[in-house]
Amino acid sequence: GNSVTQMEGPVTLSEEAFLTINCTYTATGYPSLFWYVQYPGEGLQLLLKATKADDKGSNKGFEATYRKETTSFHLEKGSVQVSDSAVYFCALDSAQGGSEKLVFGKGMKLTVNP
Amino acid sequence: DTEVTQTPKHLVMGMTNKKSLKCEQHMGHRAMYWYKQKAKKPPELMFVYSYEKLSINESVPSRFSPECPNSSLLNLHLHALQPEDSALYLCASSLQDSYEQYFGPGTRLTVT
Repeated sequence: GNSVTQMEGPVTLSEEAFLTINCTYTATGYPSLFWYVQYPGEGLQLLLKATKADDKGSNKGFEATYRKETTSFHLEKGSVQVSDSAVYFCALDSAQGGSEKLVFGKGMKLTVNP
Repeated sequence: DTEVTQTPKHLVMGMTNKKSLKCEQHMGHRAMYWYKQKAKKPPELMFVYSYEKLSINESVPSRFSPECPNSSLLNLHLHALQPEDSALYLCASSLQDSYEQYFGPGTRLTVT
C-alpha cells in the first residue's frame, strides 16, 4: 500500500540555521503530496502542497519539490526562527473505496533555540 | 469563514458515560473526517463522510459512532470508552474528498 517515510528526529537547531526534513514515499499512481505542521497544543495546519511531478510548494519561507524520479518531497527552509518550533508531518493522498485519505509519515519534532 | 471549529476543547469522561464531540465548518466543504491522535504519533483516520454519507470506516470499534446531520456539521458519539481511547480527536474537512484537508484544533479526551 501507499506509505510515507520521513525523518523522525527530534531535531534541535539554532535560530537562522538551515533546515531539511527528508520525506520519501511509496505510491501507485500520482498522489498529491503535503507538508502539515502542528504547533504545540494545536491541530494540524497545511503548510504546503504539490500535486504533480516537479511542482514546488512554498509557504512562510518553506519549500518542497515533488521529485518523482527519487519519490521524494523534502522540506527546506533557509533560516529557521524560534516560532518554527513544531512537529512536521509529510503526507500523501491515497484513494480508498472511491474516497481519498491522507497517509502520514511519523512526524518530526523541531525545536529552534534563540 | 475559513476555519474548522471543534467543541469541547477538553473532555474528561468515565467509562460508563455517553458524550459527543462536535465539529463544524462553513466553508462549503463536502467531505469531513475524524482522526485520533495519540501523543507523539501521526493522526490515524477513523471515519470519512462524503456528501453526508459515510464513505470510509477504518474498522473503528462500535463504541465510537459518527454522525453527519448536515453538510456543515459532524458529530462523534462516544459510549463505554476505555482508558486507551484517551487521545486528541481531530476533525478535518475538504472541498471534496480529493482535496487538501483543513483541520480543527481538536478535542483532548481523557477517559478515566
